[in-house]
Amino acid sequence: SYELTQPPSVSVSPGQTATITCAGDRLWNKYVSWHQQRPGQSPVLVIYQDYNRPSGIPERFSGSSSGNTATLTISEIQTFDEADYYCQAWDTSMVFGGGTKLAVL
Amino acid sequence: EVQLVESGGDLVHPGGSLRLSCAASGFAFRDFEMNWVRQAPGKGLEWISFINTASSTMNYADSVRGRFAISRDNARNSLFLQMNSLRVGDTAVYYCAAGYSRKWIDYWGQGTLVTVSS
Repeated sequence: SYELTQPPSVSVSPGQTATITCAGDRLWNKYVSWHQQRPGQSPVLVIYQDYNRPSGIPERFSGSSSGNTATLTISEIQTFDEADYYCQAWDTSMVFGGGTKLAVL
Repeated sequence: EVQLVESGGDLVHPGGSLRLSCAASGFAFRDFEMNWVRQAPGKGLEWISFINTASSTMNYADSVRGRFAISRDNARNSLFLQMNSLRVGDTAVYYCAAGYSRKWIDYWGQGTLVTVSS
């Protein structure tokens, strides 16, 4: 079965830029989405089709994809950006990465 | 405002059954592909089932295939998950999730907790 690999955790200071990666075989030819899940809340879509932002998502959130790696970048980090972030792609079915806990120190 | 409201979660014994429902509003439900995604306590997201707009295609994760059945009623803007032969490992929050494409999720529900325990 298809797998997506994310780092378990990323730490960043307020005002800095966080980068979260997602690796998968042949990821370059699959659409990648990113979902934010704050503690105790449901997930929220923040990026779809590699780099598109849904309405209401700040421009601080951006996505990119190259080769076998997709990247979520969050600039000007704020304390309420602290959350779990999941990448997601579609192979023969929907697949999620294991999630990355973003800590704002 | 888009809303997906799940219901039906409960405490059930191993081997038991449960039927989850999801009521959709604020968007064109009949035009969206629907999924169930679950999250075990302290764990990540796990996709478990998909149904297309016309109910002509249903897919399941290996972990639930043969035990769970997804269905929808476009006239009632509702999604369902019939869960049979429940196991302790099925304990999770179950999310209803809508996507304009089968390849991603646009909207998530608030989730409903299913606990399987003796």
